[in-house]
Amino acid sequence: QKEVEQNSGPLSVPEGAIASLNCTYSDRGSQSFFWYRQYSGKSPELIMSIYSNGDKEDGRFTAQLNKASQYVSLLIRDSQPSDSATYLCAVSVDSNYQLIWGAGTKLIIKP
Amino acid sequence: DAGVTQSPTHLIKTRGQQVTLRCSPKSGHDTVSWYQQALGQGPQFIFQYYEEEERQRGNFPDRFSGHQFPNYSSELNVNALLLGDSALYLCASSLASDTDTQYFGPGTRLTVL
Repeated sequence: QKEVEQNSGPLSVPEGAIASLNCTYSDRGSQSFFWYRQYSGKSPELIMSIYSNGDKEDGRFTAQLNKASQYVSLLIRDSQPSDSATYLCAVSVDSNYQLIWGAGTKLIIKP
Repeated sequence: DAGVTQSPTHLIKTRGQQVTLRCSPKSGHDTVSWYQQALGQGPQFIFQYYEEEERQRGNFPDRFSGHQFPNYSSELNVNALLLGDSALYLCASSLASDTDTQYFGPGTRLTVL
């Protein structure tokens, strides 16, 4: 069974620090990897996608992918209180139309 | 440019009843996926519709059914509601050429009493 694992948290980070979120997946055939942010009571919002090994940067966000170790991470630099949310990792497998989701990590940025 | 819309926002039903949830995809998108998200969990894939047909289905019973219309909008129907069906139901739209990149609607919060 394909699985995506995340630490549920909460992860507490001081304002201005770097928040590091991790995700591991079980299916070596996984091709595409996504990070979504979900505020309480709201729907998930796509913030990053990554498809190849290495780092991908977008503003304060950096996604890192290591297919050999089957993990993907998200770094948030200069964390702001508005970054407080649950971060969901989602993975897709080639030829499979569905995304497999982790349960999410709750991030709390303390002022 | 309208994003994904869903209706209703909230819904309260009793066990055994039937419910229909609606979704309009983002402008230009032709594929709709439905998810169920229980409190504290990640979304669980129910099914995906493309060209008015169910293209793939997750591990949900036949009580969950759907439909896609020629204008790409979609409905999710749930029959014989159970208490465990209480959840946030999310619709996500995408392009058939890039079904991985999904944009979510605001969701419908279903409570079954």
